[in-house]
Amino acid sequence: DAGVTQSPTHLIKTRGQQVTLRCSPKSGHDTVSWYQQALGQGPQFIFQYYEEEERQRGNFPDRFSGHQFPNYSSELNVNALLLGDSALYLCASIIQGTAETQYFGPGTRLLVL
Amino acid sequence: AQTVTQSQPEMSVQEAETVTLSCTYDTSESDYYLFWYKQPPSRQMILVIRQEAYKQQNATENRFSVNFQKAAKSFSLKISDSQLGDAAMYFCAYRSHPWSGTASKLTFGTGTRLQVTL
Repeated sequence: DAGVTQSPTHLIKTRGQQVTLRCSPKSGHDTVSWYQQALGQGPQFIFQYYEEEERQRGNFPDRFSGHQFPNYSSELNVNALLLGDSALYLCASIIQGTAETQYFGPGTRLLVL
Repeated sequence: AQTVTQSQPEMSVQEAETVTLSCTYDTSESDYYLFWYKQPPSRQMILVIRQEAYKQQNATENRFSVNFQKAAKSFSLKISDSQLGDAAMYFCAYRSHPWSGTASKLTFGTGTRLQVTL
């Protein structure tokens, strides 16, 4: 049973660039959430995708956008990168509307120089 | 909005001893879920234990147990017979019940770093 996978594992970008991170949910899951975890902090909710639509959004600017594909995989895009966007980006999946536990991927470490 | 507070940035425990990590939360909801996640240096967020607010019985998973005090909005994690492999960041997290329609967003605390010494 494949768990949540994310790619790439590490990424280095410069200020002003754009980045795309990818996530494949756990087998059978249809909902993907993205979290940003700054160094020494707890994860912060960015947004959630279900049925290829953004369903809920946290307190993040429009520079952060996403997409969900028919196979339930998802992308997180960040435009006009800032130094403060350096963080671990975590993806989590779940079956929509259930009380199941969310499962997390290993994360993508983004460094903005 | 819900908030989760972990007031212990770091804790230390000797191998084979017991340690308790604290967590408090604030919510106006009556039905919700609480979680403890472990994040080792590998970064993978691993579920340790979960508690449904409507259940009065405290959850237990092998060496891990919780003390859930709903009225006090407190949710502490007890680790018994600590092992070197328990060393990690531990995060307390809150999730609304699916009936609330607020999706499955998790609200996390700032974490407690647990060190296990010989």
